[in-house]
Amino acid sequence: AAGVIQSPRHLIKEKRETATLKCYPIPRHDTVYWYQQGPGQDPQFLISFYEKMQSDKGSIPDRFSAQQFSDYHSELNMSSLELGDSALYFCASKGVQVEQFFGPGTRLTVL
Amino acid sequence: AQRVTQPEKLLSVFKGAPVELKCNYSYSGSPELFWYVQYSRQRLQLLLRHISRESIKGFTADLNKGETSFHLKKPFAQEEDSAMYYCALRGSRSNTGKLIFGQGTTLQVKP
Repeated sequence: AAGVIQSPRHLIKEKRETATLKCYPIPRHDTVYWYQQGPGQDPQFLISFYEKMQSDKGSIPDRFSAQQFSDYHSELNMSSLELGDSALYFCASKGVQVEQFFGPGTRLTVL
Repeated sequence: AQRVTQPEKLLSVFKGAPVELKCNYSYSGSPELFWYVQYSRQRLQLLLRHISRESIKGFTADLNKGETSFHLKKPFAQEEDSAMYYCALRGSRSNTGKLIFGQGTTLQVKP
């Protein structure tokens, strides 16, 4: 069965650069969640989208923005990267009557 | 405030021994509780949710509202149970479905 796809799987950036992370949900899932997991930390909710509209917002820095497109895939845009942004970024998708399924994550390293 | 606490970072047991991974939560209402598991180099997977009252891979978890706990138990641990386990909460008032995770417990089952 198709799972949640994230790309890229690994990303290395310099400070002050920008990064774009992509998430492709399971077909027919209409909700996408983004979580950030720093080294040794628990996953922290960043932002979610339902039917292409932002549905909830967590501890997401103003330097980050995200959107969900007409094909339901989502992109997390990160600007002015800082060392502290180095983390594993999970995307999860959810459909009606089913729980969240997680992607493999994108590991972002900021040098 | 909504919070999930997993007091043990590491739990090490021998094969065949009973396992109990502790989870306590703080939420002013009736939350939904989940256990997610992450095997080495794999994505987060849903293991259990309290509303299902099911047993998966021999694991069970009972929601104790009086003690605000949702401990994960297995009577006889297997080596393949070695993984990172996250307890997570979803607020009943949250119609966006975001999850709040605990810090995670690494279960190490020794032969």
